[in-house]
Amino acid sequence: TQLLEQSPQFLSIQEGENLTVYCNSSSVFSSLQWYRQEPGEGPVLLVTVVTGGEVKKLKRLTFQFGDARKDSSLHITAAQPGDTGLYLCAGASSGTYKYIFGTGTRLKVLA
Amino acid sequence: DSGVTQTPKHLITATGQRVTLRCSPRSGDLSVYWYQQSLDQGLQFLIQYYNGEERAKGNILERFSAQQFPDLHSELNLSSLELGDSALYFCASSAQGNQETQYFGPGTRLLVL
Repeated sequence: TQLLEQSPQFLSIQEGENLTVYCNSSSVFSSLQWYRQEPGEGPVLLVTVVTGGEVKKLKRLTFQFGDARKDSSLHITAAQPGDTGLYLCAGASSGTYKYIFGTGTRLKVLA
Repeated sequence: DSGVTQTPKHLITATGQRVTLRCSPRSGDLSVYWYQQSLDQGLQFLIQYYNGEERAKGNILERFSAQQFPDLHSELNLSSLELGDSALYFCASSAQGNQETQYFGPGTRLLVL
């Protein structure tokens, strides 16, 4: 069974702090996506990483895809209350159409 | 706004009943996905259609069925509803259905009493 494990599950930090969220699997993924979801709404795509070792930046968010394409991380610099939400990694392992979501990291940034 | 629409937004029904959720994909997208999200289960993939044909199946119960019509809209039918079926049901669409980016609708919140 393919699994995407995310850590930590919950994170509560003060505004201005940095944080990193991890997404790990034992399977190889052809690409991984990161989404953010706010309560009662659908997930919104933040980024797609495709190449092993790839690093992508989106303002204060930095995404990295592991060299072996089995893991990814999301780093947020100087977190703001607007970053609060559920962060999900997702992807389909190579050779399958089944798209799976990670277990999720619920982030709360306090003003 | 992702361009994916779902109706209804909210649905309240009783155990044993049957409901139909509807999804219209983004213009030009051929693939539709259905997901269930409950508080303690995260986002669970149910089923995927591509251009009217079933492409992949996830953890979809036998009481649930779906189809994609020639105009590419999709319906998810939930029957013999149980209390545990209460959840948010999301539809997503993508261009080709080959592991590329999915765009999510606003969801249908189902409450089974």
